[in-house]
Amino acid sequence: EVQLLESGGDLVQPGGSLRPSCAASGFTFSSYTMTWVRQAPGKGLEWVSAISGSGGSTYYADSVKGRFTISRDNSKNTLYLQMNSLRAEDTAIYFCAKVSRGYSYADFDHWGQGTLVTVSS
Amino acid sequence: SYVLTQAPSVSVAPGQTARITCGGNNIGSKRVHWYQQKPGQAPVLVVYDDSDRPSGIPERFSGSNSGYTATLTISRVEAGDGADYYCQVWDGNSDHWVFGGGTKLTVL
Repeated sequence: EVQLLESGGDLVQPGGSLRPSCAASGFTFSSYTMTWVRQAPGKGLEWVSAISGSGGSTYYADSVKGRFTISRDNSKNTLYLQMNSLRAEDTAIYFCAKVSRGYSYADFDHWGQGTLVTVSS
Repeated sequence: SYVLTQAPSVSVAPGQTARITCGGNNIGSKRVHWYQQKPGQAPVLVVYDDSDRPSGIPERFSGSNSGYTATLTISRVEAGDGADYYCQVWDGNSDHWVFGGGTKLTVL
């Protein structure tokens, strides 16, 4: 059974940093692109970032490019999102999700339960 | 960047058919995926590649995509189908995944 478990969300001041992680199990982690999606309170889903199975390719939404860095440790089956220069508008639940197939247009077939990041002074 | 447009809300009586649309420029040329999200829960994939269903999703959920509109159809709506529904595509021009704004389905 595929399981994705996020952790590392916290309350952080504007301008601060945070690195949530996502522990994966139940599938061959290194074979799949992984992604982060966030949801601000009362708002819709927003795709944030993605990383290929090898880690060689990364993708970012314009809203986080230059501030966030996605990475993965395939030996630990873990996905990370380094978040720097945090702003109030980054406040959201951050979900990690698995991309179902090896195509960019593929769906996100499994999701974690999310970790809450709050940016506030 | 590519934009997906969804109506904020749709209401339907139990047993009726709900149709949730997702508009986008030439969306018929893209593969559309649909997610269901209930309050306090993670999204769940209900339709992928326009019209395919993951295992465990009832046949009442179906999808179509043509021209400028993709549609998620829920037949014989049940109270438990009440949720937010999001469409999603990959935009190859920007190398971004894109979500629609979401539609809240209310079962009357």
